[in-house]
Amino acid sequence: DIQMTQSPSSLSASVGDRVTITCRASQGISNYLAWYQQKPGEGPKLLIYSASTLQSGVPSRFSGSESGTDFTLTISSLQPEDVAIYYCQKYNRGPFTFGPGTKVEIK
Amino acid sequence: QEHLVESGGGVVQPGRSLRLSCGASGFTFSSYGMHWVRQTPGKGLEWVAVLWYDGSHENYTDSVKGRFTISRDNSKNTLFLQMNSLRVEDTALYYCARSVAARANRGYFDLWGRGTLVTVSS
Repeated sequence: DIQMTQSPSSLSASVGDRVTITCRASQGISNYLAWYQQKPGEGPKLLIYSASTLQSGVPSRFSGSESGTDFTLTISSLQPEDVAIYYCQKYNRGPFTFGPGTKVEIK
Repeated sequence: QEHLVESGGGVVQPGRSLRLSCGASGFTFSSYGMHWVRQTPGKGLEWVAVLWYDGSHENYTDSVKGRFTISRDNSKNTLFLQMNSLRVEDTALYYCARSVAARANRGYFDLWGRGTLVTVSS
């Protein structure tokens, strides 16, 4: 099975900072990569699909990119409401594996 | 507004069974593939099972094969997860999630519930 890794596992940044989270697939998954945001007490929320397509209603400060088996989620200007855990996920076929998550906090 | 609401969680002894439900509203449930995903503090998000829009195809993560069964009643807009022979390691918050794809084999998850907690303990 394809494994998904993420880095860093956690980060602390100031409001307004640019934040980058990386996800790596152990094998090629084309662009079948989604990013989710999860806040405490809530189910995950879809942010990005097809590696770089922003889900409707998601603020434009969120963006995604890909380079081979490496994928990046960028928050261009971190806001207090962005405090959450962020997960990547492959969805080309089962198992639909998630990355271990990156916890984002405000410094 | 589109919603998914899970129910049926609780505390159960190892080896026993539990049936989870997921009620859907605000969209045409019968047009979408559906998933169950679970979350534990130690293992993060783990995909559990998928079922196509018409109930014709299903798939499971290896650790639940032969013990869990995913099903749906499109007339009642409800997804189910029958969990048998429960183990301590099945303890988790269980979410249902909607696939953007009817056949759900290459679809991301665009709608999630808030989850229902299953605790397996003696």
